[in-house]
Amino acid sequence: ETGVTQSPTHLIKTRGQQVTLRCSSQSGHNTVSWYQQALGQGPQFIFQYYREEENGRGNFPPRFSGLQFPNYSSELNVNALELDDSALYLCASSLVGWTGIAGNTIYFGEGSWLTVV
Amino acid sequence: QQPVQSPQAVILREGEDAVINCSSSKALYSVHWYRQKHGEAPVFLMILLKGGEQKGHDKISASFNEKKQQSSLYLTASQLSYSGTYFCGTVPKTSYDKVIFGPGTSLSVIP
Repeated sequence: ETGVTQSPTHLIKTRGQQVTLRCSSQSGHNTVSWYQQALGQGPQFIFQYYREEENGRGNFPPRFSGLQFPNYSSELNVNALELDDSALYLCASSLVGWTGIAGNTIYFGEGSWLTVV
Repeated sequence: QQPVQSPQAVILREGEDAVINCSSSKALYSVHWYRQKHGEAPVFLMILLKGGEQKGHDKISASFNEKKQQSSLYLTASQLSYSGTYFCGTVPKTSYDKVIFGPGTSLSVIP
């Protein structure tokens, strides 16, 4: 166990709806990253939060947004859901200093399976 | 920007060795290796920070050639528990705030 918990574990939404996924990071970790993993593919970086500020973003549209709270837990929000948003969403936490994530282990949660119909 | 991994898939018998390669078009700060079993989260294996660095634990080790922007993961005397998908994650020098994962290499170890 990595100490990173995500909820919900599975959910089904209708195209056009909005979804919020939640992540509780490992105790003491100040950085949370979110990844989207489609079936049979590697995790795709969505964005990263460091001390409540977004400090890195992948090639995802603005309808993907997030928050990090003072206790370092995090949310991923997706608006106007599309069928292609169906995937496993992984949250990963790490303790990162000013040098960035290069030398820091990231610990993944079990993920939230989202199905859009 | 995504690293390239090879091979895409490999099947081994217990006790055989395997090498998984990871290559990036970008200059790298580091390379991370993870293993993911079906239906589970990726699990950390190791990070390589410096060019030429080799790390390992048990019978899994890895090397990092900074100049070639390549890393290789070595699995020796494979065990059934090694089965899974192996991902390399690269941290480019141009954006050291994110880990970019490759498409993965599926490894199956059979008795």
